[in-house]
Amino acid sequence: GAVVSQHPSRVICKSGTSVKIECRSLDFQATTMFWYRQFPKKSLMLMATSNEGSKATYEQGVEKDKFLINHASLTLSTLTVTSAHPEDSSFYICSASLAGRPNEQFFGPGTRLTVL
Amino acid sequence: QQQVKQSPQSLIVQKGGISIINCAYENTAFDYFPWYQQFPGKGPALLIAIRPDVSEKKEGRFTISFNKSAKQFSLHIMDSQPGDSATYFCAASKLNAGNMLTFGGGTRLMVKP
Repeated sequence: GAVVSQHPSRVICKSGTSVKIECRSLDFQATTMFWYRQFPKKSLMLMATSNEGSKATYEQGVEKDKFLINHASLTLSTLTVTSAHPEDSSFYICSASLAGRPNEQFFGPGTRLTVL
Repeated sequence: QQQVKQSPQSLIVQKGGISIINCAYENTAFDYFPWYQQFPGKGPALLIAIRPDVSEKKEGRFTISFNKSAKQFSLHIMDSQPGDSATYFCAASKLNAGNMLTFGGGTRLMVKP
Protein backbone atom coordinates (compact mmCIF):
# COMPACT_ATOMS: atom_id res chain seq x y z
CA GLY A 1 0.00 0.00 0.00
CA ALA A 2 0.79 3.75 -0.06
CA VAL A 3 1.92 3.87 -3.68
CA VAL A 4 2.67 7.17 -5.36
CA SER A 5 3.06 7.52 -9.12
CA GLN A 6 4.44 10.31 -11.26
CA HIS A 7 3.89 11.08 -14.90
CA PRO A 8 5.82 11.48 -17.06
CA SER A 9 8.97 9.74 -15.88
CA ARG A 10 11.07 11.69 -18.37
CA VAL A 11 10.36 14.81 -20.38
CA ILE A 12 12.46 16.83 -22.79
CA CYS A 13 11.22 20.24 -23.81
CA LYS A 14 12.40 23.35 -25.57
CA SER A 15 13.34 26.47 -23.68
CA GLY A 16 10.35 28.74 -23.15
CA THR A 17 7.73 26.01 -23.08
CA SER A 18 5.77 24.86 -20.03
CA VAL A 19 5.80 21.35 -18.65
CA LYS A 20 3.27 19.70 -16.35
CA ILE A 21 4.18 16.85 -14.01
CA GLU A 22 1.47 14.81 -12.32
CA CYS A 23 1.70 13.14 -8.94
CA ARG A 24 -0.94 10.63 -7.89
CA SER A 25 -1.54 8.64 -4.76
CA LEU A 26 -2.84 5.36 -6.15
CA ASP A 27 -4.27 3.54 -3.16
CA PHE A 28 -4.83 6.21 -0.54
CA GLN A 29 -6.06 9.73 -0.07
CA ALA A 30 -3.19 12.07 0.56
CA THR A 31 -3.62 14.69 3.25
CA THR A 32 -0.55 16.53 2.03
CA MET A 33 1.66 16.36 -1.02
CA PHE A 34 5.20 17.60 -1.29
CA TRP A 35 7.35 18.55 -4.26
CA TYR A 36 11.12 18.18 -4.18
CA ARG A 37 13.90 19.00 -6.58
CA GLN A 38 17.10 17.00 -6.65
CA PHE A 39 20.32 17.91 -8.40
CA PRO A 40 22.85 15.21 -9.35
CA LYS A 41 24.56 13.69 -6.33
CA LYS A 42 22.70 16.04 -4.01
CA SER A 43 20.02 15.69 -1.41
CA LEU A 44 16.34 16.43 -1.88
CA MET A 45 15.37 20.07 -1.71
CA LEU A 46 11.79 20.76 -0.67
CA MET A 47 10.13 23.15 -3.08
CA ALA A 48 6.58 23.34 -1.75
CA THR A 49 3.90 21.69 0.32
CA SER A 50 0.32 21.46 -0.81
CA ASN A 51 -3.00 20.43 0.68
CA GLU A 52 -6.06 19.60 -1.34
CA GLY A 53 -8.12 22.64 -2.18
CA SER A 54 -5.73 25.21 -0.79
CA LYS A 55 -2.78 27.19 -2.08
CA ALA A 56 0.63 25.61 -1.93
CA THR A 57 3.19 26.80 0.59
CA TYR A 58 6.48 27.49 -1.13
CA GLU A 59 9.90 27.28 0.46
CA GLN A 60 12.07 30.35 0.57
CA GLY A 61 13.74 31.01 -2.75
CA VAL A 62 11.26 29.00 -4.84
CA GLU A 63 9.43 31.13 -7.39
CA LYS A 64 5.72 30.44 -7.10
CA ASP A 65 5.03 31.93 -10.52
CA LYS A 66 7.66 29.70 -12.06
CA PHE A 67 6.61 26.49 -10.37
CA LEU A 68 2.83 26.35 -10.31
CA ILE A 69 1.33 23.73 -8.02
CA ASN A 70 -2.27 22.63 -8.19
CA HIS A 71 -3.75 20.17 -5.73
CA ALA A 72 -7.20 19.61 -7.11
CA SER A 73 -8.08 16.38 -5.33
CA LEU A 74 -6.97 14.13 -2.50
CA THR A 75 -5.15 11.90 -4.98
CA LEU A 76 -3.68 14.32 -7.52
CA SER A 77 -1.20 17.17 -7.42
CA THR A 78 0.44 18.78 -10.43
CA LEU A 79 3.61 20.80 -10.81
CA THR A 80 3.85 23.04 -13.85
CA VAL A 81 7.22 24.48 -14.75
CA THR A 82 6.37 27.61 -16.70
CA SER A 83 8.59 29.09 -19.38
CA ALA A 84 11.21 26.46 -18.70
CA HIS A 85 14.89 27.22 -19.12
CA PRO A 86 17.94 24.93 -19.12
CA GLU A 87 18.63 25.77 -15.48
CA ASP A 88 15.27 24.20 -14.60
CA SER A 89 16.58 20.84 -15.78
CA SER A 90 16.50 18.57 -12.76
CA PHE A 91 14.94 15.53 -11.14
CA TYR A 92 11.57 16.39 -9.63
CA ILE A 93 10.11 14.10 -6.98
CA CYS A 94 6.75 14.24 -5.27
CA SER A 95 5.68 12.60 -2.06
CA ALA A 96 2.46 12.22 -0.15
CA SER A 97 1.40 11.71 3.42
CA LEU A 98 -1.79 10.23 4.78
CA ALA A 99 -3.87 10.48 7.88
CA GLY A 100 -3.02 7.93 10.53
CA ARG A 101 0.63 7.68 9.48
CA PRO A 102 2.14 10.75 11.15
CA ASN A 103 5.55 11.91 9.97
CA GLU A 104 5.71 9.45 7.07
CA GLN A 105 6.04 10.45 3.44
CA PHE A 106 5.68 8.11 0.49
CA PHE A 107 7.71 9.08 -2.54
CA GLY A 108 6.99 8.87 -6.22
CA PRO A 109 9.53 7.54 -8.71
CA GLY A 110 10.54 11.00 -9.90
CA THR A 111 10.47 12.90 -13.19
CA ARG A 112 13.60 13.78 -15.11
CA LEU A 113 13.14 17.15 -16.82
CA THR A 114 15.58 18.22 -19.49
CA VAL A 115 15.18 21.66 -21.02
CA LEU A 116 17.05 22.20 -24.26
CA GLN B 1 21.24 26.03 8.66
CA GLN B 2 21.77 22.34 8.05
CA GLN B 3 19.73 20.67 10.73
CA VAL B 4 20.69 17.11 9.88
CA LYS B 5 24.31 16.35 9.12
CA GLN B 6 25.17 13.05 7.47
CA SER B 7 28.50 11.31 7.10
CA PRO B 8 30.35 9.97 5.25
CA GLN B 9 29.45 11.38 1.85
CA SER B 10 30.61 8.19 0.22
CA LEU B 11 31.44 4.73 1.44
CA ILE B 12 32.99 1.67 -0.13
CA VAL B 13 32.49 -1.67 1.59
CA GLN B 14 33.41 -5.20 0.62
CA LYS B 15 30.64 -7.73 0.14
CA GLY B 16 29.74 -9.25 3.46
CA GLY B 17 31.04 -6.30 5.44
CA ILE B 18 29.16 -3.85 7.64
CA SER B 19 28.17 -0.45 6.25
CA ILE B 20 27.76 2.30 8.82
CA ILE B 21 26.28 5.70 8.08
CA ASN B 22 25.93 8.38 10.73
CA CYS B 23 23.63 11.34 11.19
CA ALA B 24 23.50 14.10 13.76
CA TYR B 25 20.65 16.49 14.34
CA GLU B 26 20.26 19.78 16.13
CA ASN B 27 16.55 20.22 16.76
CA THR B 28 15.54 18.39 19.93
CA ALA B 29 11.91 18.60 18.84
CA PHE B 30 12.51 15.98 16.14
CA ASP B 31 10.72 12.77 17.03
CA TYR B 32 10.84 10.64 13.91
CA PHE B 33 14.01 9.49 12.17
CA PRO B 34 13.66 7.57 8.90
CA TRP B 35 16.27 6.27 6.51
CA TYR B 36 15.65 6.26 2.79
CA GLN B 37 17.34 4.27 0.05
CA GLN B 38 17.55 5.74 -3.43
CA PHE B 39 18.74 4.06 -6.59
CA PRO B 40 19.84 6.16 -9.58
CA GLY B 41 16.91 7.65 -11.44
CA LYS B 42 14.39 6.51 -8.83
CA GLY B 43 12.57 8.11 -5.97
CA PRO B 44 13.61 7.45 -2.36
CA ALA B 45 12.11 4.44 -0.66
CA LEU B 46 11.63 4.17 3.09
CA LEU B 47 14.04 1.62 4.50
CA ILE B 48 13.57 1.79 8.24
CA ALA B 49 12.55 4.40 10.79
CA ILE B 50 12.82 4.93 14.53
CA ARG B 51 11.20 7.09 17.17
CA PRO B 52 13.17 8.40 20.17
CA ASP B 53 11.50 6.11 22.70
CA VAL B 54 13.77 3.24 21.63
CA SER B 55 17.54 3.07 21.21
CA GLU B 56 17.67 0.47 18.48
CA LYS B 57 15.48 -0.98 15.79
CA LYS B 58 16.33 -3.90 13.57
CA GLU B 59 14.69 -5.06 10.36
CA GLY B 60 16.51 -7.86 8.63
CA ARG B 61 20.05 -6.73 7.81
CA PHE B 62 19.26 -3.09 8.60
CA THR B 63 19.59 -1.62 12.09
CA ILE B 64 19.10 1.90 13.35
CA SER B 65 20.94 2.90 16.49
CA PHE B 66 19.67 6.02 18.23
CA ASN B 67 21.44 8.11 20.88
CA LYS B 68 19.07 10.76 22.15
CA SER B 69 21.53 12.47 24.49
CA ALA B 70 24.11 12.82 21.73
CA LYS B 71 21.46 13.72 19.16
CA GLN B 72 22.85 11.11 16.80
CA PHE B 73 21.50 8.13 14.93
CA SER B 74 23.10 5.68 12.59
CA LEU B 75 22.26 3.03 10.03
CA HIS B 76 24.08 -0.27 10.07
CA ILE B 77 23.81 -2.59 7.08
CA MET B 78 25.02 -6.06 8.03
CA ASP B 79 26.35 -8.52 5.46
CA SER B 80 26.38 -5.78 2.83
CA GLN B 81 25.58 -6.93 -0.70
CA PRO B 82 26.30 -5.38 -4.12
CA GLY B 83 22.54 -4.85 -4.46
CA ASP B 84 22.72 -2.49 -1.48
CA SER B 85 24.79 -0.08 -3.58
CA ALA B 86 22.68 3.06 -3.57
CA THR B 87 22.45 6.48 -1.99
CA TYR B 88 21.14 6.56 1.56
CA PHE B 89 19.49 9.56 3.16
CA CYS B 90 18.72 10.05 6.80
CA ALA B 91 15.92 12.42 7.71
CA ALA B 92 14.12 13.83 10.70
CA SER B 93 10.74 15.31 11.39
CA LYS B 94 8.60 16.43 14.27
CA LEU B 95 5.04 15.51 15.02
CA ASN B 96 2.43 18.12 14.19
CA ALA B 97 4.75 19.89 11.80
CA GLY B 98 2.85 18.98 8.68
CA ASN B 99 4.86 15.78 8.16
CA MET B 100 7.77 17.81 6.80
CA LEU B 101 11.08 15.98 6.57
CA THR B 102 14.54 17.47 6.98
CA PHE B 103 17.03 15.44 4.97
CA GLY B 104 20.70 14.78 5.49
CA GLY B 105 23.10 15.28 2.62
CA GLY B 106 23.17 11.64 1.56
CA THR B 107 25.75 8.85 1.47
CA ARG B 108 26.68 7.05 -1.70
CA LEU B 109 27.35 3.44 -0.79
CA MET B 110 29.23 1.08 -3.07
CA VAL B 111 29.49 -2.55 -2.09
CA LYS B 112 32.25 -4.32 -3.96
CA PRO B 113 31.76 -7.98 -4.90
